[in-house]
Amino acid sequence: DGGITQSPKYLFRKEGQNVTLSCEQNLNHDAMYWYRQDPGQGLRLIYYSQIVNDFQKGDIAEGYSVSREKKESFPLTVTSAQKNPTAFYLCASSPGLETQYFGPGTRLLVL
Amino acid sequence: GNSVTQMEGPVTLSEEAFLTINCTYTATGYPSLFWYVQYPGEGLQLLLKATKADDKGSNKGFEATYRKETTSFHLEKGSVQVSDSAVYFCALSESTGANSKLTFGKGITLSVRP
Repeated sequence: DGGITQSPKYLFRKEGQNVTLSCEQNLNHDAMYWYRQDPGQGLRLIYYSQIVNDFQKGDIAEGYSVSREKKESFPLTVTSAQKNPTAFYLCASSPGLETQYFGPGTRLLVL
Repeated sequence: GNSVTQMEGPVTLSEEAFLTINCTYTATGYPSLFWYVQYPGEGLQLLLKATKADDKGSNKGFEATYRKETTSFHLEKGSVQVSDSAVYFCALSESTGANSKLTFGKGITLSVRP
């Protein structure tokens, strides 16, 4: 089955800790995206990548980092600099024709 | 910049009622327009889209028409079901060269009572 997988489903972060959220796709899409979802605020773009080894900041990149070493993978690291990390994180991919396809999401909680 | 405005929610309807969810947009060019749906605890699924003025997107009984003159893309369904209970997001996409980014509205929660 083709699709986008995100892991883990739930993730707990301690104070001062960096955590990494996984996003993998087997759709052969060039573009990948990370969004943050907070209640009542819709989705906000964190980072996006149009091609391997290249990525751009979105609207709320501070406190986050990404890498794109493989076409299939676009992991997101939530660093200790992100002071309010509790949110639902969504990864998406696109074949470059505007429509984006989303993974099931990872819920990050702070201990 | 681009923006999407959705009507305030939440919306609660009885089964078989008519649904309208309003969406208006601001864009500098000629965007494509989308409706996404999110069921509890899940990611977003594409519901329908329209890529140019007067296009009508449709799927699963839902429809939306791209109205350039009113910059709107309202979502409608003639008879809602309990299984339609979800959060609905309106979005637009403007491609600039090789880049394509979505701008989302805040979403609206629909609850359908049996």
